[in-house]
Amino acid sequence: AQRVTQPEKLLSVFKGAPVELKCNYSYSGSPELFWYVQYSRQRLQLLLRHISRESIKGFTADLNKGETSFHLKKPFAQEEDSAMYYCALIGGTSYGKLTFGQGTILTVHP
Amino acid sequence: GAVVSQHPSWVICKSGTSVKIECRSLDFQATTMFWYRQFPKQSLMLMATSNEGSKATYEQGVEKDKFLINHASLTLSTLTVTSAHPEDSSFYICSARSHKGREQYFGPGTRLTVT
Repeated sequence: AQRVTQPEKLLSVFKGAPVELKCNYSYSGSPELFWYVQYSRQRLQLLLRHISRESIKGFTADLNKGETSFHLKKPFAQEEDSAMYYCALIGGTSYGKLTFGQGTILTVHP
Repeated sequence: GAVVSQHPSWVICKSGTSVKIECRSLDFQATTMFWYRQFPKQSLMLMATSNEGSKATYEQGVEKDKFLINHASLTLSTLTVTSAHPEDSSFYICSARSHKGREQYFGPGTRLTVT
């Protein structure tokens, strides 16, 4: 079975501070990992995926297979980063089904 | 590109009636569409996977006779909530995946309120 865990329901930081949103997964094979973001009153949108190894809006995430983690990081948080963040996984045999974590509400204070 | 729309954006219906929600991929062909349910400030719960031209695959615990899914074309999937009850009130979100990749594109969601 595949599972995604985001241990923090809420995370608050001040503008300019570093932020890390934690994500751990369990899957026996090689999964695809994603981070999705949902801004207030907007649809869910893809932030980044591990296979592209890109940085979007200053966010990066590295897949650590040893620790089965895919933490999302940004060195200097901005107020506009306040949103709900979901870590998600696609397993090799799941026919493209996304398994979402519980989500983390990030609030960046001025 | 890769825009997914849902209609209606919100709907209020009386208990016992049925309501249909449409999900469309506007600029790509979606071989697979997914239907999710989201409770306030909670994660998305996958309800079913819909492949064009075939029966939907429902997740465990989701009543297929209550949540009818049809994927009649490569750009349209519908979710019909039959004999709706107040406990069916929720935010329903669809996503679509093109035949070109594994990324899912999400619709804006439909707020259903059953009175």
